[in-house]
Amino acid sequence: DQQVKQNSPSLSVQEGRISILNCDYTNSMFDYFLWYKKYPAEGPTFLISISSIKDKNEDGRFTVFLNKSAKHLSLHIVPSQPGDSAVYFCAASAGAQKLVFGQGTRLTINP
Amino acid sequence: DTGVSQNPRHKITKRGQNVTFRCDPISEHNRLYWYRQTLGQGPEFLTYFQNEAQLEKSRLLSDRFSAERPKGSFSTLEIQRTEQGDSAMYLCASSRVGGGNEKLFFGSGTQLSVL
Repeated sequence: DQQVKQNSPSLSVQEGRISILNCDYTNSMFDYFLWYKKYPAEGPTFLISISSIKDKNEDGRFTVFLNKSAKHLSLHIVPSQPGDSAVYFCAASAGAQKLVFGQGTRLTINP
Repeated sequence: DTGVSQNPRHKITKRGQNVTFRCDPISEHNRLYWYRQTLGQGPEFLTYFQNEAQLEKSRLLSDRFSAERPKGSFSTLEIQRTEQGDSAMYLCASSRVGGGNEKLFFGSGTQLSVL
């Protein structure tokens, strides 16, 4: 059972525009959500996180939004830069347990 | 902070052979995780340790797989009698538990190819 889903395998955005990556989850016990970024031949690197007690968290160009009623989170990147091209994974955990990952979305930023 | 280190980076083996991977976590981290990632998928949980105790194993971890973390420091993941379906990126991650939500730090992974 896929508890964390990223339904868009790929996304292409023009440099300078906003990139919006989406993630849905099914387990209502999840209380912590994270986004990771992955370049080829490297491990995932942490980007930003949000606790279930919040609905928004910002860090520079990156903002994560959480809609608990819809079991949906999104990552906004603005403005998008060529170096943002990578695969993005959302992940979730319940009570400091293991992270469950989505399938990933490949983001391509076009100059 | 030297980060999570995994060795080897790449491993090519023939079907039926045994392989062993090593992970050195960030030194002050007490939790260590193993994940597996195949093309087009996200990392899938295999097992994790808190200090030297193995606390959870996924049903993905068949009896051909064994993981150890002696003395709560580095960890090894062994796959016996490898099969072509074992070909994947094996990722190790570590974290420090206590006082808040957990953020995992990943190594660069070991890419296994079973011929």
